[in-house]
Amino acid sequence: SQQGEEDPQALSIQEGENATMNCSYKTSINNLQWYRQNSGRGLVHLILIRSNEREKHSGRLRVTLDTSKKSSSLLITASRAADTASYFCATDGLRSGNQFYFGTGTSLTVIP
Amino acid sequence: DAGITQSPRHKVTETGTPVTLRCHQTENHRYMYWYRQDPGHGLRLIHYSYGVKDTDKGEVSDGYSVSRSKTEDFLLTLESATSSQTSVYFCAISESGYNEQFFGPGTRLTVL
Repeated sequence: SQQGEEDPQALSIQEGENATMNCSYKTSINNLQWYRQNSGRGLVHLILIRSNEREKHSGRLRVTLDTSKKSSSLLITASRAADTASYFCATDGLRSGNQFYFGTGTSLTVIP
Repeated sequence: DAGITQSPRHKVTETGTPVTLRCHQTENHRYMYWYRQDPGHGLRLIHYSYGVKDTDKGEVSDGYSVSRSKTEDFLLTLESATSSQTSVYFCAISESGYNEQFFGPGTRLTVL
């Protein structure tokens, strides 16, 4: 399976701290995406990074991609209680057509 | 939620009965996806569509069929529901097969 794996599975931090979560995958990709899921809701797209990019920013989010290590990280700076959610990475594959593979997610809790 | 709805939102059914879930979009996106989400497995792709009457299997397609007769509607059918198909089902849409996906609110299906 090409499924990405997030690490850690769960993370608990204080409001204002930074949160870092990682994603590893197995095969070459075209792009990698990060999604957020609040409890009981659908997933919301956060950021897409292409295989020829190394870093991307969006507001308080910073994503890095290391294709040599087949890994990505998502950094949320100055976390807020509203950031409490599960975060998933999703990868496509050079040979998988238009299919995306989601990891099992990191559950982030931000304590006010 | 980006003009995407799912119906029903909740359903309880019995083993052996057929079940059809509907995904409806108002965005005129070409790609539509059905995923299931289970604890410990993240999201797994069941089937997807890349145009009217054009569909393909995902990694967990056994026991499921799909149809897309109009751009806006993508139906998922469980031909004979089993307890292992108890899950939360998400529909997603995308303009292209490589860009961000927009998710519906989900359908919680319980098979007794």
